[in-house]
Amino acid sequence: DTGVSQDPRHKITKRGQNVTFRCDPISEHNRLYWYRQTLGQGPEFLTYFQNEAQLEKSRLLSDRFSAERPKGSFSTLEIQRTEQGDSAMYLCASSGSYNEQFFGPGTRLTVL
Amino acid sequence: AQTVTQSQPEMSVQEAETVTLSCTYDTSENNYYLFWYKQPPSRQMILVIRQEAYKQQNATENRFSVNFQKAAKSFSLKISDSQLGDTAMYFCAFSSDQFYFGTGTSLTVIP
Repeated sequence: DTGVSQDPRHKITKRGQNVTFRCDPISEHNRLYWYRQTLGQGPEFLTYFQNEAQLEKSRLLSDRFSAERPKGSFSTLEIQRTEQGDSAMYLCASSGSYNEQFFGPGTRLTVL
Repeated sequence: AQTVTQSQPEMSVQEAETVTLSCTYDTSENNYYLFWYKQPPSRQMILVIRQEAYKQQNATENRFSVNFQKAAKSFSLKISDSQLGDTAMYFCAFSSDQFYFGTGTSLTVIP
């Protein structure tokens, strides 16, 4: 297993467009988390899944954001009608039974 | 609500010296975990060290050790024999179910 992977690594889009990011967690991990990180800040929690169930969503996650984990394996995060304020690094992490998170490399989103 | 505070935005240390990064947290939970993560420039976040709140003994990983003071809700990271590769952002994190991160300390190791 090569760890948590995310695709794409970089995304540049125009304001108003929709974007979708993918995260592949470590295979035996049942928890998957999405975070947003802006420059100079720590990761901010967006949402997390246990298997295919989305258990919690942050108030940061507006109606334009949606996340899925249909088969309890990979997850997607979609942002509709992107705004310049959505520009950030979007991090995915997965967790097994030891309450420890392993992070992916992130997807850097730039909204022009 | 859980909060994590890192009061040192930037720190520097001479190579081979020792540096301590501070972290405090606030929670009403009794069972939780504390972590230090390292994020090198433009690179992936990786776990440095972890501490279970029910353990009184401070965690140690090679050159990295923590000073966990549960009553004071303090969780500092000590890096001994600092190396150039230690230059990174360091994030303190708390978890009882959801993870909460501090704003980070940017550490620069000076040759």
